[in-house]
Amino acid sequence: EAQVTQNPRYLITVTGKKLTVTCSQNMNHEYMSWYRQDPGLGLRQIYYSMNVEVTDKGDVPEGYKVSRKEKRNFPLILESPSPNQTSLYFCASSFDAVSTDTQYFGPGTRLTVL
Amino acid sequence: DAKTTQPTSMDCAEGRAANLPCNHSTISGNEYVYWYRQIHSQGPQYIIHGLKNNETNEMASLIITEDRKSSTLILPHATLRDTAVYYCIVRVWRGSSNTGKLIFGQGTTLQVKP
Repeated sequence: EAQVTQNPRYLITVTGKKLTVTCSQNMNHEYMSWYRQDPGLGLRQIYYSMNVEVTDKGDVPEGYKVSRKEKRNFPLILESPSPNQTSLYFCASSFDAVSTDTQYFGPGTRLTVL
Repeated sequence: DAKTTQPTSMDCAEGRAANLPCNHSTISGNEYVYWYRQIHSQGPQYIIHGLKNNETNEMASLIITEDRKSSTLILPHATLRDTAVYYCIVRVWRGSSNTGKLIFGQGTTLQVKP
């Protein structure tokens, strides 16, 4: 089944404790992206990747890192999480960088930073 | 990308057609209309898109007015599982944005009732 998977689905952590949220897709998609969703603010793009080894900042990249060593994986790293990073996070992918109109989203990761 | 306006919420009886309107009066000639939906806290799901002709797939139908200033998403036989937030997005096909991000507005919350 074609899908985008994220792990963990739920995470409660404390300020400053490094964490990684994994994202993997099995559709051989070139383009991948991370969004966060907060009440009243909609979905905002954090980072995106046009292809392997190519990543760039979205609208709200502060406090986050990403890497794209393989086509299928695009982990989101929070080196020193803070409470304002408490949010619902979604990973998304699309076939390539020009067909980003149709994106496939993962199930979401609900992160709470205490 | 052109701005869209949708009603905040709508109700629909189970088994009936759900008609969700979207206004996009500033749409330009090369912009498509896309619909996504988000079932409570799950990842957004692509539904359908169109340019000027009416479109239909296994999930829904999309009716675009002749002047393209508005459109309607039709779920022909709504079920309880169709309860979700529905987003109308207007953008250039194959990506006007270098970041590939999708801009989700507030959407319409559709409540399907038994």
